[in-house]
Amino acid sequence: GENVEQHPSTLSVQEGDSAVIKCTYSDSASNYFPWYKQELGKRPQLIIDIRSNVGEKKDQRIAVTLNKTAKHFSLHITETQPEDSAVYFCAASIGWNRDDKIIFGKGTRLHILP
Amino acid sequence: EAQVTQNPRYLITVTGKKLTVTCSQNMNHEYMSWYRQDPGLGLRQIYYSMNVEVTDKGDVPEGYKVSRKEKRNFPLILESPSPNQTSLYFCASSIRVTNEKLFFGSGTQLSVL
Repeated sequence: GENVEQHPSTLSVQEGDSAVIKCTYSDSASNYFPWYKQELGKRPQLIIDIRSNVGEKKDQRIAVTLNKTAKHFSLHITETQPEDSAVYFCAASIGWNRDDKIIFGKGTRLHILP
Repeated sequence: EAQVTQNPRYLITVTGKKLTVTCSQNMNHEYMSWYRQDPGLGLRQIYYSMNVEVTDKGDVPEGYKVSRKEKRNFPLILESPSPNQTSLYFCASSIRVTNEKLFFGSGTQLSVL
């Protein structure tokens, strides 16, 4: 079955700097890769996603890149702000399959330092 | 407002006392799922449902039951809770299968004494 590894588990960056979180997946059939942000005490919320037919996607300060050959994808946050402090989860799923599941990474706690 | 409603928000119970956590969505989503979140382990899937009367085990189904008699509701049942089921639980739904955005409920913090 699919396995998703996420690194690092904790990341501290100075406000204004960039943050990068990396994930690898094991099943080459995976075709959907979402990123969820979970603020303290809140529910996870989708911030960006990418499908396997696209190599990069951007939304303002957030971007995701996908390398299908290497089976890894990354979240990039530029010009970090205090409100970016949260736990971020990557995930991978195959979709359109009776036995389909979405598998989450273990999460990265991002601290934005003033 | 489109949402996933999960109740209760907090629950303290004792070992062996059956409990149900309710989950309801108003978006006519086909796919619903339950996750538990534990420190350092991320979100682990308990059960999921592709549609009415269709449920499947996730990665950690032991000790849990679910049912999907109506499209909008997907309750999580703990027949005989044990302390190792103390966790933060989330219900989630999406329009269909899993390669679409998941909408999460607000979570249920369960403590089993």
